[in-house]
Amino acid sequence: EPEVTQTPSHQVTQMGQEVILRCVPISNHLYFYWYRQILGQKVEFLVSFYNNEISEKSEIFDDQFSVERPDGSNFTLKIRSTKLEDSAMYFCASSEGALSTEQYFGPGTRLTVT
Amino acid sequence: SQQGEEDPQALSIQEGENATMNCSYKTSINNLQWYRQNSGRGLVHLILIRSNEREKHSGRLRVTLDTSKKSSSLLITASRAADTASYFCATDNSGYSTLTFGKGTMLLVSP
Repeated sequence: EPEVTQTPSHQVTQMGQEVILRCVPISNHLYFYWYRQILGQKVEFLVSFYNNEISEKSEIFDDQFSVERPDGSNFTLKIRSTKLEDSAMYFCASSEGALSTEQYFGPGTRLTVT
Repeated sequence: SQQGEEDPQALSIQEGENATMNCSYKTSINNLQWYRQNSGRGLVHLILIRSNEREKHSGRLRVTLDTSKKSSSLLITASRAADTASYFCATDNSGYSTLTFGKGTMLLVSP
């Protein structure tokens, strides 16, 4: 069964460093998303992406964040200068369509900023 | 205001019993999805119910949606120890299919 994959599973970085989190969405899906979950808190929406453009972004997704689909399969989230409060589990998701279609999540990347 | 609030926060039952979790939300929605998360792991999609649907079944799962009360319930019948996980409802109320998650219900099923 197709699934969303994410790499790495765990990333440790120092404050101020740039990180790139990678995702491979399900191959026939057209809509891509990033969410994050700080330990013990809710899953929060960061950004949605369709047709090589950001469709929507939350207040969390500030200028330090960017997304890219560099080729036909990968979808990346870049954090330019990490802060301690960026430590969280980052989930990529994809869906076939827009409204009323299931979003399938990857296993997540645990980002630890020291 | 909070969108997608589950209750109870925690539920402890014995294997074979049924587990019911509830979700309330505040704004109108396009659909509502339920997810399961094992400790420290990813989110597993369980079921999606559209705003014009009232009930859906998938295996041992039954989801209801009452848009007049802005609430949904997830029933797991004949629970198993492997059902132990956190369960989240997520509402899609935007024009771009962004999901808003609740805090989740932690279900513990004891053998």
